[in-house]
Amino acid sequence: EAAVTQSPRSKVAVTGGKVTLSCHQTNNHDYMYWYRQDTGHGLRLIHYSYVADSTEKGDIPDGYKASRPSQENFSLILELASLSQTAVYFCASSENQDTQYFGPGTRLLVL
Amino acid sequence: GDKVKQSPSALSLQEGTNSALRCNFSIAATTVQWFLQNPRGSLMNLFYLVPGTKENGRLKSAFDSKESYSTLHIRDAQLEDSGTYFCAAPRGSALGRLHFGAGTQLIVIP
Repeated sequence: EAAVTQSPRSKVAVTGGKVTLSCHQTNNHDYMYWYRQDTGHGLRLIHYSYVADSTEKGDIPDGYKASRPSQENFSLILELASLSQTAVYFCASSENQDTQYFGPGTRLLVL
Repeated sequence: GDKVKQSPSALSLQEGTNSALRCNFSIAATTVQWFLQNPRGSLMNLFYLVPGTKENGRLKSAFDSKESYSTLHIRDAQLEDSGTYFCAAPRGSALGRLHFGAGTQLIVIP
């Protein structure tokens, strides 16, 4: 079973502050993804990566940056957090186009 | 419009009964994935399907790529089956990227 961990599990941030969400996977998957989920809704793709040192924009990249320093690690960065970025953030990994394995999620509250 | 439509959007089941969830695609889906998000928020893989069927315990899923739909059958529903079920299909040539449905919220009642 794929192991994907996220930190922190929850965070309260102030508007305009910088937030970094971290994701770590231990299954040698090349593909990693960041999604956000708003209450009562499905998942929307923010950024993804096929390989270390390279990231791609997803469907809603505005206001977010991503970093993939190694195969195992994928970070999501909010340089200037805004109220509208309050959500639950999920990281996932997959081997090619195979099953995506999700982390436990990070609850972010921006005040 | 929605590339992946799930139905119903919400469902209540009596414990011990059976039901089926459906996913219709307006894209040429080649595979489908089903996930369960439990009430605590964790997302779990249920199935990864090429055209055909798979079964795991009380869950069975079928995927018909020609008719562009997939179903998830729940047999003898238990309280722990409660949660939101999502289906997803690949976005054509966009490697690894998925179209997600909006989900079916299932509540199993004792």
